[in-house]
Amino acid sequence: NAGVMQNPRHLVRRRGQEARLRCSPMKGHSHVYWYRQLPEEGLKFMVYLQKENIIDESGMPKERFSAEFPKEGPSILRIQQVVRGDSAAYFCASSPPSPFRGTGELFFGEGSRLTVL
Amino acid sequence: SQQGEEDPQALSIQEGENATMNCSYKTSINNLQWYRQNSGRGLVHLILIRSNEREKHSGRLRVTLDTSKKSSSLLITASRAADTASYFCATDAYTGNQFYFGTGTSLTVIP
Repeated sequence: NAGVMQNPRHLVRRRGQEARLRCSPMKGHSHVYWYRQLPEEGLKFMVYLQKENIIDESGMPKERFSAEFPKEGPSILRIQQVVRGDSAAYFCASSPPSPFRGTGELFFGEGSRLTVL
Repeated sequence: SQQGEEDPQALSIQEGENATMNCSYKTSINNLQWYRQNSGRGLVHLILIRSNEREKHSGRLRVTLDTSKKSSSLLITASRAADTASYFCATDAYTGNQFYFGTGTSLTVIP
């Protein structure tokens, strides 16, 4: 049973380029969360998606950042025109569908580490 | 902000000792969870305690929750070098969709 798969594990981009981070949730999971972690800091919520729907994007910067979770394929976090401040580890987590809000644990991927030169 | 705060930020103990870390949060929750993160890795779920529970055990882990004080503690008994990691608490806002993570406690267990 494969866990949450993120790729690439490491990504280097120059300022102004685009970064695309992919996340395949665990089998049977329909909820995907993206978090950003700066060195020596905790995780900051970015966006919560279900298949074909963005449920909560209140933690995502209004410009340059977008996320999707299509009917088929992985969830993608896209950062356009990257800047040095975007350098961080980006974690994806998934959870199974639940009739009750907030009853389950999150299953995390190993993260994608973005370095902007 | 709902985000929790762990205390202490860093903790260093000898193998065999107990480690206690605390988490405080700001608004009503459905549940509180503790996660562990080894350096350079993803987070791994340790234990979940619901808002109507006061204490929960799992192996060498003991979690308490005091909703009146909006705080939780994680106790690791008989620590091992392999327990060296960062530990985060996470809460879900009662009416929200997010899981909020604290800033973490970095635990070092010295063999």
